[in-house]
Amino acid sequence: KAGVTQTPRYLIKTRGQQVTLSCSPISGHRSVSWYQQTPGQGLQFLFEYFSETQRNKGNFPGRFSGRQFSNSRSEMNVSTLELGDSALYLCASTSRVGTGELFFGEGSRLTVL
Amino acid sequence: GQQVMQIPQYQHVQEGEDFTTYCNSSTTLSNIQWYKQRPGGHPVFLIQLVKSGEVKKQKRLTFQFGEAKKNSSLHITATQTTDVGTYFCAGGAAGNKLTFGGGTRVLVKP
Repeated sequence: KAGVTQTPRYLIKTRGQQVTLSCSPISGHRSVSWYQQTPGQGLQFLFEYFSETQRNKGNFPGRFSGRQFSNSRSEMNVSTLELGDSALYLCASTSRVGTGELFFGEGSRLTVL
Repeated sequence: GQQVMQIPQYQHVQEGEDFTTYCNSSTTLSNIQWYKQRPGGHPVFLIQLVKSGEVKKQKRLTFQFGEAKKNSSLHITATQTTDVGTYFCAGGAAGNKLTFGGGTRVLVKP
């Protein structure tokens, strides 16, 4: 069974630009969560989607948004990038909504210059 | 909101020694999960504890969930270089998202 796939793996943007990251969950998993990981802040929850509906949202500004498609694939978008948005963005899928075991992808490492 | 704290933030361990990392929640949890992230890698699920006072073992790793379901610990015996990485706990409350602790970064001295 293929794991969670995230694209792109690495990207460099400049301040003010926007970025879209993609996540394909494990086949059969309908819940997808996104996390931001930085050296000083650990794993910060961004949002969780299930059946195309956002179920939970973390404490991030409105510049961070996401969506989920009918095939469970998910995208997150960050607009008007700031230097502080540089981080590893991790996507995780689970077969159980809310508190099931999370299967993480390799992440998308974003650098904002 | 729910907060999960982990201590210590860093753990330098001599190979062969034991160590324990602790996880404390500001609220009662329905379950707690532990993950390991190797350097340059992504978090990988280790275990989930659900019952009050539950203890589970995986080879040299022992996981415990507190009686009040507000704290947990991970004890590693006879540390090996393969234990290097960051260990995260994640607390779950019914119907809500998992809240991750800040992690304990483990460095092993050979």
